[in-house]
Amino acid sequence: GENVEQHPSTLSVQEGDSAVIKCTYSDSASNYFPWYKQELGKRPQLIIDIRSNVGEKKDQRIAVTLNKTAKHFSLHITETQPEDSAVYFCAASYGNQFYFGTGTSLTVIP
Amino acid sequence: DTAVSQTPKYLVTQMGNDKSIKCEQNLGHDTMYWYKQDSKKFLKIMFSYNNKELIINETVPNRFSPKSPDKAHLNLHINSLELGDSAVYFCASSQTEYEQYFGPGTRLTVT
Repeated sequence: GENVEQHPSTLSVQEGDSAVIKCTYSDSASNYFPWYKQELGKRPQLIIDIRSNVGEKKDQRIAVTLNKTAKHFSLHITETQPEDSAVYFCAASYGNQFYFGTGTSLTVIP
Repeated sequence: DTAVSQTPKYLVTQMGNDKSIKCEQNLGHDTMYWYKQDSKKFLKIMFSYNNKELIINETVPNRFSPKSPDKAHLNLHINSLELGDSAVYFCASSQTEYEQYFGPGTRLTVT
């Protein structure tokens, strides 16, 4: 089955700096790669996603890149703000099977 | 309207009891899921189910069983609860190959 690894497990950045979270996957059949943000005590919510036929996608301060050959994808957050503090999960999916990374706890220091 | 709902939000029970958590989605999605999130925040898939196929994570004890009365509901039954079952359980739904929508979670505490 699919194996998704996520790094780092914790990340602290100063407000205004950029944050990068990286994930790798093992199954070349995976074709959909969402990123979820989970605030304390709340449900995971989708913040951005990318499909295997696209190399990069951007939505305001958030961007995701995908390297299919190397089987890795990354989340980039620019101009971080305190409200970006949360746990972020990557996932790889094929059909209706989703495999999540182990999460990154991001802290943005004001 | 709430897309994916779960009840109850909190569940406190004693070891050995049997309990159920209900999940409903009004999105018309064809697949529903149950996840367990432990104290370290790992999101572990337990089941995925559509009207054709139930896929069970092989590490899930058979004390856990999903029951789907119809396409919009996937309930989770847990028998003989153990201390290690304490966690937050999330229900989710998706249309195949698209975004998953999560429910609000049920915090289960086994004493």
